[in-house]
Amino acid sequence: GEDVEQSLFLSVREGDSSVINCTYTDSSSTYLYWYKQEPGAGLQLLTYIFSNMDMKQDQRLTVLLNKKDKHLSLRIADTQTGDSAIYFCAEALDSSYKLIFGSGTRLLVRP
Amino acid sequence: EAQVTQNPRYLITVTGKKLTVTCSQNMNHEYMSWYRQDPGLGLRQIYYSMNVEVTDKGDVPEGYKVSRKEKRNFPLILESPSPNQTSLYFCASPQGIGELFFGEGSRLTVL
Repeated sequence: GEDVEQSLFLSVREGDSSVINCTYTDSSSTYLYWYKQEPGAGLQLLTYIFSNMDMKQDQRLTVLLNKKDKHLSLRIADTQTGDSAIYFCAEALDSSYKLIFGSGTRLLVRP
Repeated sequence: EAQVTQNPRYLITVTGKKLTVTCSQNMNHEYMSWYRQDPGLGLRQIYYSMNVEVTDKGDVPEGYKVSRKEKRNFPLILESPSPNQTSLYFCASPQGIGELFFGEGSRLTVL
C-alpha cells in the first residue's frame, strides 16, 4: 500500500546544511512535495518536483529524487534559526490531487 | 494571491454538538479536500471533491460529512462530534498543476 516515511527529528547548527530524507512506496507517484509547518501555523508549500525530474533547486533549497530507490531528500543550505519547523514529505498519486503524507521531520537549528 | 480560508481557526465544543468548519478558495479550482493532522500520523485525507455536487470519501471519513454546492466553498460538517475528532483540520485546493495549497488550519477540541 501507500506509505511515506521520514525520520522524526534532525538537529543542526546554524550555518550548516540540513538534509531531510523521505522514502515512499508507490511508483505511480506523479508529484512529490515538501511542506513546512512552523509552530501553531498552517502548511507552507516549500517546493515540489515532478516524478520525471532528478533534481530541483530553488535558492537555498535543493530537492533530489532517486526514483529507483523511491527516495526523496530536501537539502537546506546555510540553515537559519527561522528554518526550525516540521517538514512534511508528501506524494501525489496517479495524477490526482490526493496527497499521502509522511509523519513529519522536526528540524531544530541550534545557534 | 492564492488563498484557502478556513473558519473558525480555533474551536472548543462538547460531545454531540453539531459543528461546521467552513473552507473557501479563490483559485477557481474544481478540486477541494479536507485533511486532519494528528501527532505521529502526518495528515490524512477525510473527504475530497472533484467538482460541484461531486464528493468522495478519503481515508478517514467516519464521523464527517461535506457538501459542495458552490465551486469556492467546501464545508466540513461534524454532525455529532466525539473526543477522537479532536484534531487539527486543513482544507486544501490546487492552483494550477501540482501546487496544492492549504488553509491555515482549524484546531478543534471536543470535550
